[in-house]
Amino acid sequence: GESVGLHLPTLSVQEGDNSIINCAYSNSASDYFIWYKQESGKGPQFIIDIRSNMDKRQGQRVTVLLNKTVKHLSLQIAATQPGDSAVYFCAEKGIGPGGKLIFGQGTELSVKP
Amino acid sequence: EAQVTQNPRYLITVTGKKLTVTCSQNMNHEYMSWYRQDPGLGLRQIYYSMNVEVTDKGDVPEGYKVSRKEKRNFPLILESPSPNQTSLYFCASRPLLATDTQYFGPGTRLTVL
Repeated sequence: GESVGLHLPTLSVQEGDNSIINCAYSNSASDYFIWYKQESGKGPQFIIDIRSNMDKRQGQRVTVLLNKTVKHLSLQIAATQPGDSAVYFCAEKGIGPGGKLIFGQGTELSVKP
Repeated sequence: EAQVTQNPRYLITVTGKKLTVTCSQNMNHEYMSWYRQDPGLGLRQIYYSMNVEVTDKGDVPEGYKVSRKEKRNFPLILESPSPNQTSLYFCASRPLLATDTQYFGPGTRLTVL
């Protein structure tokens, strides 16, 4: 039968605070990393990406940091808003055009007004 | 509007009754894939296709079939559904040489009794 599902890690923040969501990836050969946001009842939505030759990339209110030494990825959201409440997934992509995405378990971000 | 559509959005069926979940994209993307999402396990790839008539297994292909007769459509077929295939299914598409522009469909929630 099916295994019992684990609860998602959760992060609860106050509106206006900064949020940091962490992710450990598995394959040191992965050359591309992506963060997705998934709101309730919807499919994952691209937020920001970073290539393995970079260690930081900034978008609008979001920053992704990559630490290849410890295979760690983080997503920072500045001035978190209620609309940021969602599940956030990191994904790593293998080398090559057909390289599939491997998704992390996800972190649920809850923003308190 | 660029989009990936899936049908049906919700389906309750019984063990052994063949079903098909359709997926269609209007962006002329070469790469399409199917994922299932289960609590605590994240998104896992079932099958993918790099172009018409080119399909390959993902991480959890058992019990599923796909076909890619046309570029825009990538149906997921469950020949004999079982309760462990109860899940939330997402179709996704992207250009072959890009990953950041992967678009996900809205999801299909399948329950197999």
